[in-house]
Amino acid sequence: IAGITQAPTSQILAAGRRMTLRCTQDMRHNAMYWYRQDLGLGLRLIHYSNTAGTTGKGEVPDGYSVSRANTDDFPLTLASAVPSQTSVYFCASRKGQSAGELFFGEGSRLTVL
Amino acid sequence: SQQGEEDPQALSIQEGENATMNCSYKTSINNLQWYRQNSGRGLVHLILIRSNEREKHSGRLRVTLDTSKKSSSLLITASRAADTASYFCATDATTSGTYKYIFGTGTRLKVLA
Repeated sequence: IAGITQAPTSQILAAGRRMTLRCTQDMRHNAMYWYRQDLGLGLRLIHYSNTAGTTGKGEVPDGYSVSRANTDDFPLTLASAVPSQTSVYFCASRKGQSAGELFFGEGSRLTVL
Repeated sequence: SQQGEEDPQALSIQEGENATMNCSYKTSINNLQWYRQNSGRGLVHLILIRSNEREKHSGRLRVTLDTSKKSSSLLITASRAADTASYFCATDATTSGTYKYIFGTGTRLKVLA
């Protein structure tokens, strides 16, 4: 059982470069989320998608974009990376439209120099 | 921000002792969840308590919710070294059918063998 797969697991990136973090789930969950985790700040929601074809902004969306072309994939793109985007990024999914647990990937550690 | 805050930020106890962590939040919620994160890993769901519930148990876990004080506590009884991890609360800040889970800053628990 794969669950949620994130790629890459780790990446060092020069400032100004474009980067896409990939997230794929095989559980056919409707909702998907992107969080960033920074020391002392916990997890902060970047973008979410309640179902394929829809997306929404979270707490810290600036500098990031997402798309949800199908149920399984939810890529996160940094159009022009900046050092403040250095963080660990987690993708998560939830099964249905009602409240329930989130399933997390193992994270992508991104360093922007 | 509707981010919750956990207290204490860090906790160190001996194996066999009980560990209590608290979470405070700012706005009305539909439910509150607790998650565990081992170092370098993704988050794993532990327990969900709905706003109309006051207490919930799952194995060695006991969660309470006081909506009048906007706070929750997680009690781990008879702790084990394997319980060493960070623990996060997440509030369901749903509006208009859009589910957005907002995480707190976490409590780092260390259980000494």
